[in-house]
Amino acid sequence: DAGVTQSPTHLIKTRGQQVTLRCSPKSGHDTVSWYQQALGQGPQFIFQYYEEEERQRGNFPDRFSGHQFPNYSSELNVNALLLGDSALYLCASTQGWQNIQYFGAGTRLSVL
Amino acid sequence: RKEVEQDPGPFNVPEGATVAFNCTYSNSASQSFFWYRQDCRKEPKLLMSVYSSGNEDGRFTAQLNRASQYISLLIRDSKLSDSATYLCVVSSGGYNKLIFGAGTRLAVHP
Repeated sequence: DAGVTQSPTHLIKTRGQQVTLRCSPKSGHDTVSWYQQALGQGPQFIFQYYEEEERQRGNFPDRFSGHQFPNYSSELNVNALLLGDSALYLCASTQGWQNIQYFGAGTRLSVL
Repeated sequence: RKEVEQDPGPFNVPEGATVAFNCTYSNSASQSFFWYRQDCRKEPKLLMSVYSSGNEDGRFTAQLNRASQYISLLIRDSKLSDSATYLCVVSSGGYNKLIFGAGTRLAVHP
């Protein structure tokens, strides 16, 4: 049973560029959440997708957007990258109303 | 004030020691509580859920005090492999958004 998978594992971009990160949830899970973890901090909630809709959003600017596909996989897009967007981006999945979330290994984004 | 606050540590303890971590949360409407463990440059992994009645999993005991909005984790007989960052996590709202503390770093030495 595959767990949550994310791609790519590492990414280097320059300021102003755009990036797309991908996530496949654990088998049987239909809800995907995205988190940003800066160095030395705990993960911060970006948004959550369920039934292909964004149903909750954290305190992140509109440069952060996402999508969920019919197979429950998800993408996180970040436009106009800033140096401060350098972080580990984590995807977590769960099923329905269950409150246990399982995390992928993350994508480490460096913005130069 | 942060929604979830933890002592960042580090806690440096010898093998076999007992160590306790504490955490406070600000939202009295929080519904679910967890401790996650995160190894260096890895993803967070669920250590245990936390209940008001307290719960124990081997060497680990977690406790929730809703009145004081306080969560604790006790690790007995520390092992070298327990070295990690321990994240206190609460969820609130209808969609179980997770709010993480900044983590407490534990280093267990021989």
